Amino acid sequence: DTGVSQNPRHKITKRGQNVTFRCDPISEHNRLYWYRQTLGQGPEFLTYFQNEAQLEKSRLLSDRFSAERPKGSFSTLEIQRTEQGDSAMYLCASSLEGKDEQYFGPGTRLTVT
Amino acid sequence: GDSVTQMEGPVTLSEEAFLTINCTYTATGYPSLFWYVQYPGEGLQLLLKATKADDKGSNKGFEATYRKETTSFHLEKGSVQVSDSAVYFCALASYGKLTFGQGTILTVHP
Repeated sequence: DTGVSQNPRHKITKRGQNVTFRCDPISEHNRLYWYRQTLGQGPEFLTYFQNEAQLEKSRLLSDRFSAERPKGSFSTLEIQRTEQGDSAMYLCASSLEGKDEQYFGPGTRLTVT
Repeated sequence: GDSVTQMEGPVTLSEEAFLTINCTYTATGYPSLFWYVQYPGEGLQLLLKATKADDKGSNKGFEATYRKETTSFHLEKGSVQVSDSAVYFCALASYGKLTFGQGTILTVHP
C-alpha cells in the first residue's frame, strides 16, 4: 500500500491555459474525492466518484472544471481557461465504500500567473 | 448546510503543556467526526475519529470525545511535544463528503 499519489506536485501556468492533474488512489479503495484548499482555510469539497461514476459535484466546480475516473482507478481533474482565483492546493482522497474516513494525497499546488 | 467551527488560532505552547483545541459542528443527522493533522510540507493525515455520540477517539496521546448534546469534538493532549507543531483540522462526514473547519495552527516551543 503506497498511499494516495498526486501528480504533478506543483504547477505554474499562465492565465487562460488549461491544466490537468492526476490522482492515483489506494488500490483497493473504490471512492475517490477531490478537494480544494486555499491558504489559511480548510479543504473544500469539489466532487467524488464511486468506481467510475461521478456521484456528486459541488457548486464550487464551475463549468471550467471537469473530473473523470474512466476505469474506476486513477482520476484526472482538468481546469480550462485558468484564472488567478484558481490558484490553490488541489487535494485528492480515497476511501472504501461504507467507510467515512478518507486518506489524502500530498496535493497539487497550482499557481496561475 | 453542514459546518464546522474551530477555535481561533494560532495556539502557542511550551513543551509538556496541556492542549485543547475547540471544535463545534452543525449537521443534520449524526455525522462521523474526525481530526486531521497537516505537518509542515506534508499532506493531511487522519489523526483520530469517532462515529457516534459519547465515542472517544484517540491516537498518539491525542483524544477527542463526540458530544452530541453540545455538538462538540474538542481535541486534547496532556503533554505536547515540539514534534506536535502542525495545523489541526476538525471535520465531519456526511453523505460521503468531508466538511472541514478552518484549521488551527499549533506551535510548541522547547
